[in-house]
Parts: sequence; structure tokens; C-alpha cells
Amino acid sequence: GENVEQHPSTLSVQEGDSAVIKCTYSDSASNYFPWYKQELGKGPQLIIDIRSNVGEKKDQRIAVTLNKTAKHFSLHITETQPEDSAVYFCAAPGEGAQKLVFGQGTRLTINP
Amino acid sequence: EAGVAQSPRYKIIEKRQSVAFWCNPISGHATLYWYQQILGQGPKLLIQFQNNGVVDDSQLPKDRFSAERLKGVDSTLKIQPAKLEDSAVYLCASSPPGGGFGYTFGSGTRLTVV
Repeated sequence: GENVEQHPSTLSVQEGDSAVIKCTYSDSASNYFPWYKQELGKGPQLIIDIRSNVGEKKDQRIAVTLNKTAKHFSLHITETQPEDSAVYFCAAPGEGAQKLVFGQGTRLTINP
Repeated sequence: EAGVAQSPRYKIIEKRQSVAFWCNPISGHATLYWYQQILGQGPKLLIQFQNNGVVDDSQLPKDRFSAERLKGVDSTLKIQPAKLEDSAVYLCASSPPGGGFGYTFGSGTRLTVV
């Protein structure tokens, strides 16, 4: 089945700098890669996703890149702000319909 | 649109006791999931329903966990008897019909087994 590895587990950046979180996946047939943000006491919330027919997708300060050959995808956050502090999870489809396998999470801290 | 509702928000029980969690998905969402999130880890799927039928329960510890989704709407997840290692956040999510991965998660129930 699908295996998703996420790095780093913690990341601390200065406000205004960029943050990058990377994930690798094992199943070359996977075709959908979402990123979720989880704030304290809340459930994960989808922030951006990418399908395998494109290499990059942007939404304001957030972007996701996909390298299908290397089987990895990354989340890029530019001009970081304090409200970006949260735990971020990547995911990829597992076996079966509409099932997601999540990475271990990255705790991002934005220092003022 | 209203989100995924879960209750209770917190629960503390002693080991070997039983506990139940409730989830009300977004109206019209055919697929419902229960995920277990242990502290410091990513969510892990326990069970997936399509309407009121089970699609995947391969990761559900069936000797102690059970779940149902009567009438294809609300769902309950039960643990009986609970173990210390069951301490986790139990997340419910739903997604609309027609395929895809448009998950919406609830806020979860934090279970502490002492």
C-alpha cells in the first residue's frame, strides 16, 4: 500500500521568510496530493492540492510542486505570517476508493 | 454550509471502560470516515462508509472497536473495552458523492484513557 514520508517534523522560520515542507510517496500510480493545515484543537483543513497532470499549483502565498519521476511533492509558503503557525500534513491516495494516507506532520512555527 | 459535527469534544475514561463518539457529516455527503490521530502523528484511517455500507475497515481493531452508520447519515464509533493506547483524537470526515477527495474534517474528539 501507499507509504507517505514527510520532512521535517518541526520547522521554525522568521516572519516574512519562506517555508518548505517535503513529502515522498511510494505508489507511482498515485494521482492526487493534498496538503492540510491543522490548528490547535481543530481538525485538518485542506489548504491546497495538486493532481498528477500538473507540476505546480499556486494560491496566493501557498504553492505545491510535484515531481512524479522522483515521487515527491512539496509545500511552499512565502512571506510567512504568525497565523501560518500550525501543523501541516501531506497525503496521498491509499488503496481503495477515496482513501487518503497521511504523512507524519510538520509543526511550523513562525517567529515574529 | 454547516461543517462536520462531532461530540463530545473531550472524554476521559479509565481503561477497560467503554466510550462512544458521534459524528454528523455535511448534508449530502455520501462518504464518511473515522480517523485516529495519535499525538504527534498523522491521521490513520479506521473505517470508511459509503452511505450506510462499509467500504474499508481493514485498520479497525475489531476486537474492541465498532462503528455504524445507520440510515447513511450520522455515525457512531465505539470502543469497548478501552486500552491506554487508544488515547488519541478521533476525527470524523465526510466527502461528497461522485468520487474525489474533497474531505471536510470535524474538530475531533480527544480521548484520554487513564
